[in-house]
Amino acid sequence: GAVVSQHPSRVICKSGTSVKIECRSLDFQATTMFWYRQFPKKSLMLMATSNEGSKATYEQGVEKDKFLINHASLTLSTLTVTSAHPEDSSFYICSARATGQGPTGELFFGEGSRLTVL
Amino acid sequence: RKEVEQDPGPFNVPEGATVAFNCTYSNSASQSFFWYRQDCRKEPKLLMSVYSSGNEDGRFTAQLNRASQYISLLIRDSKLSDSATYLCVVNGGGFKTIFGAGTRLFVKA
Repeated sequence: GAVVSQHPSRVICKSGTSVKIECRSLDFQATTMFWYRQFPKKSLMLMATSNEGSKATYEQGVEKDKFLINHASLTLSTLTVTSAHPEDSSFYICSARATGQGPTGELFFGEGSRLTVL
Repeated sequence: RKEVEQDPGPFNVPEGATVAFNCTYSNSASQSFFWYRQDCRKEPKLLMSVYSSGNEDGRFTAQLNRASQYISLLIRDSKLSDSATYLCVVNGGGFKTIFGAGTRLFVKA
């Protein structure tokens, strides 16, 4: 089946540094990808919708300057957490739906990236 | 009111039991519905889509009630490996996907 690869799976960084997380669709093209954040024992919270070749659409309350999203190709979206702080520590997950699939199409998830900011 | 609501549980059931989860959604224009399974510290994976006519996949049965705006998941003959968090997922208009908070299931020997 379709695969979405997310990298790195785990990252530890110092406060104030920036961290980039990559999300790749390996065997399909994805015009749209989604970035989520998940706190322990909580549900996935949609942060933003990443659109190939255009600006991402951010959910209310998510700082676009803090969480930079770039969707430079049909198979790659990146999330950069800028000037990370301990409260940014979380599990970040991306998902993608194959181009041409409507809302009924299956979402494929990356393996997630666990960010710890010291 | 949350857009998608689930009982967080946990549900603690013995092996072989039948267990049912419900999920309610607030947007009557929602178009598609899914149940995803998420194991601890892993990404969610699609368990099954939920169709208006209901659908069954082995021990799992999903139902949709548009009039009352809820979906359900029934697990029969529970296995230890069914222990996980089950996420109710609703697609509203466009491509916006809303996740419920998840229902935790523990199946014990």
